[in-house]
Amino acid sequence: EAGVAQSPRYKIIEKRQSVAFWCNPISGHATLYWYQQILGQGPKLLIQFQNNGVVDDSQLPKDRFSAERLKGVDSTLKIQPAKLEDSAVYLCASSLKTANSPLHFGNGTRLTVT
Amino acid sequence: QQPVQSPQAVILREGEDAVINCSSSKALYSVHWYRQKHGEAPVFLMILLKGGEQKGHEKISASFNEKKQQSSLYLTASQLSYSGTYFCGTEIDVNRDDKIIFGKGTRLHILP
Repeated sequence: EAGVAQSPRYKIIEKRQSVAFWCNPISGHATLYWYQQILGQGPKLLIQFQNNGVVDDSQLPKDRFSAERLKGVDSTLKIQPAKLEDSAVYLCASSLKTANSPLHFGNGTRLTVT
Repeated sequence: QQPVQSPQAVILREGEDAVINCSSSKALYSVHWYRQKHGEAPVFLMILLKGGEQKGHEKISASFNEKKQQSSLYLTASQLSYSGTYFCGTEIDVNRDDKIIFGKGTRLHILP
């Protein structure tokens, strides 16, 4: 089966600019996650979708970050305006909506804010 | 709610054993283990469920102590390919919402 697809792979922007990341999960996976991973740290959950509904976005900085999952498939994560501390790898993961399903991660988008 | 992993880093020689621990302050429903190599995405190793189940995958196994709210990952006769950062991800029992929170990771370096 095809894995989780993410694009772009790398992005460099200046602070206060905006940026968007795209994720296409594995077909049939109802749950989609966006994680932020700062260098040397574990992935931090930003938002979790179940189909096209938000399950948890308690750690999403909503003044600058937004995410959507239209039609319960693809998802986009946007940052506007970006700050220096947003430099990180943004990982998308998906899983089946069954008990104890593993997370399948995409290769991530490495964002550098200058 | 973030689980605590220990140790933070381990250096071993090929063939030696290692244990990585993951503990939570809240009752857990499940514990996930992933390995991430530098510049790559985390890769799933195994899931353990509430109930103290022990699982194995080649020379990598894990246990889940429900009462102590902790899990341990065992790597026996380590190989060079085991190098990387190991993350545990936990799901809190009371929520059961598939929300997986990861620890800060344990860096494992295997020397030839």
